[in-house]
Amino acid sequence: EVQLVESGGGLVQPGRSLGLSCAASGFTFDDYAMHWVRQAPGKGLEWVSGISWNSGSIVYADSVKGRFTISRDNAKNSLYLQMNSLIVEDTALYYCARRSMVHGSDTRGPFDIWGQGTMVTVSS
Amino acid sequence: EIVLTQSPGTLSLSPGERATLSCRASQSVSSSYLAWYQQKPGQAPRLLIYGASSRATGIPDRFSGSGSGTDFTLTISRLEPEDFAVYCCQQYGSLPRTFGQGTKVEIK
Repeated sequence: EVQLVESGGGLVQPGRSLGLSCAASGFTFDDYAMHWVRQAPGKGLEWVSGISWNSGSIVYADSVKGRFTISRDNAKNSLYLQMNSLIVEDTALYYCARRSMVHGSDTRGPFDIWGQGTMVTVSS
Repeated sequence: EIVLTQSPGTLSLSPGERATLSCRASQSVSSSYLAWYQQKPGQAPRLLIYGASSRATGIPDRFSGSGSGTDFTLTISRLEPEDFAVYCCQQYGSLPRTFGQGTKVEIK
């Protein structure tokens, strides 16, 4: 079964750090670009960051640039998000998502597999 | 950044009725790289439509997408009980990837 399982969420004070992980199974992880998407309570989806299959291309939303770092370990079939200098506005359910290859060699694609998310709450 | 505006915010319909959801982009979406997702409470989003009009694997044919440029539509031809949910559009043609705020389809 194709699956993504996030972990690492929790309650953290403003200004502190937290690291998220996403474990992939059921597919060839290093064939796919991966992304993080978040959803604040009662709000819509917000794209956070993406990384290519070989970590050669990494992109961030402006709202997290300079504070968050995405990475992956293909040997461990895992995706990571290191979040530093957290602010209250980072409070959200964080999903990892697989970028589909429905458009062939085009590096752009929708997100076809999602995890169930891990909750991050930033509060004093 | 491409801003996606969905309308209406809430759609109240009965099972068997047709649902028409709109997603308007602030600028043209490159290559019609527009996707639709369904999200139910407590669940992750589910990909329904990509490339504006192609159904994802396993999606019933009562779901269809259309549009190009800045105006896109998701149509559910006959609502089934399991279709009552929030629907969200996403453009993936340019960075940053952006999502609409969602349309809730609720039972009337």
